[in-house]
Amino acid sequence: DLQLTQSPSFLSASVGDRVTITCRASQGISSYLAWYQQKPGKAPKLLIYAASTLQSGVPSRFSGSGSGTEFTLTISGLQPEDFAIYYCQQLSSYPPYTFGQGTKLEIK
Amino acid sequence: EVQLVESGGGLVQPGGSLRLSCAASDFTFSAYSMNWVRQAPGKGLEWVSYISSSSGTMYYADSVKGRFTISRDNAKNSLYLQVNSLRAEDTAVYYCARGRPSNYMDVWGKGTPVTVSS
Repeated sequence: DLQLTQSPSFLSASVGDRVTITCRASQGISSYLAWYQQKPGKAPKLLIYAASTLQSGVPSRFSGSGSGTEFTLTISGLQPEDFAIYYCQQLSSYPPYTFGQGTKLEIK
Repeated sequence: EVQLVESGGGLVQPGGSLRLSCAASDFTFSAYSMNWVRQAPGKGLEWVSYISSSSGTMYYADSVKGRFTISRDNAKNSLYLQVNSLRAEDTAVYYCARGRPSNYMDVWGKGTPVTVSS
């Protein structure tokens, strides 16, 4: 099965910072990648699909890039509500529709 | 408001069974593929199963293949997951999620918890 590896697993940052999370695929997945945000006790929320397309209603401070095997999620100007866990997911080689292990973004 | 509401979770003994349900509202349910995704306590997300809009295609994670069965009733706007031969490692919150083209999961329910314990 295709594997996704996110880095870092934990990230400490301050309000206003710019942060980047990386997701690496064990084989090429073109642009079939999504990013989700999950807050404690809540369901995941789709942020970005097709590697770089912002889901409707998601603030423009979120952006995604990459193709093939390396992808990034960038948050420009962290807001208090952005502290959460972020997951990437591949939708190229299935089943399974693999998720990354998650990146926990914490307040410094 | 587009919404998914799961139900049917609970406490079950190892080897037991449950039928999870997901009720959809305010969108054309029959036009979308659907998924079940689970999350064990303190762990990450694990995709479990997929069903196409017409029920013509179904996929399962290896960890549940042969024990779980996904189905849907488009007339009732409902998705189901029959979970049999439950194990302790199946303990998780089970979410249903709508799949848009390429199966990006854009709408999620709040989840239903399943605990497998004696």
